[in-house]
Amino acid sequence: KNEVEQSPQNLTAQEGEFITINCSYSVGISALHWLQQHPGGGIVSLFMLSSGKKKHGRLIATINIQEKHSSLHITASHPRDSAVYICAVSGADGLTFGKGTHLIIQP
Amino acid sequence: KAGVTQTPRYLIKTRGQQVTLSCSPISGHRSVSWYQQTPGQGLQFLFEYFSETQRNKGNFPGRFSGRQFSNSRSEMNVSTLELGDSALYLCASAVSTQREGKQYFGPGTRLTVT
Repeated sequence: KNEVEQSPQNLTAQEGEFITINCSYSVGISALHWLQQHPGGGIVSLFMLSSGKKKHGRLIATINIQEKHSSLHITASHPRDSAVYICAVSGADGLTFGKGTHLIIQP
Repeated sequence: KAGVTQTPRYLIKTRGQQVTLSCSPISGHRSVSWYQQTPGQGLQFLFEYFSETQRNKGNFPGRFSGRQFSNSRSEMNVSTLELGDSALYLCASAVSTQREGKQYFGPGTRLTVT
């Protein structure tokens, strides 16, 4: 069974700061997902990646398969980035989720 | 394209009853996965259906079941409800399987068991 650890659990930062959220997993996977959940429950898939790096706007996701580690970066953070960010890994047992990182960006 | 829709959005049931939740995927998507989210356990995978076949199942008791129809719409059923089944139930669809495709989530059904 895959274990998914995210850090930090909570993060408060000032608008404009560079944000990094980390995700580690214990067993080999076919893909890793980064999800964003706003208050009210709606979940949006930000990235799905199995190697290397992906970029979308101010968001960058990287994965190191050998080290079983992924990072999500937010550049020039904005209050609208405030949300819970969840890492999920896709393996033989379906998707296994991390506990999430609660991010607050203050103006 | 319309997004993933789930009905109903809110539901209150009594312990011991059963409930059926519905999920309509994005047009053209053949995979539907179901998830349970609670404050204590976070998000947990329930099961995945692809082309009407259950491909994978999470670690939940047999009271939780599902099915997928030929039009890719899916239902999940929970029988003999327990208080601990109170949760947000999310479904997600993908073009291909959960292992290969980006997941598109619905708004969820919030189930309260009293």
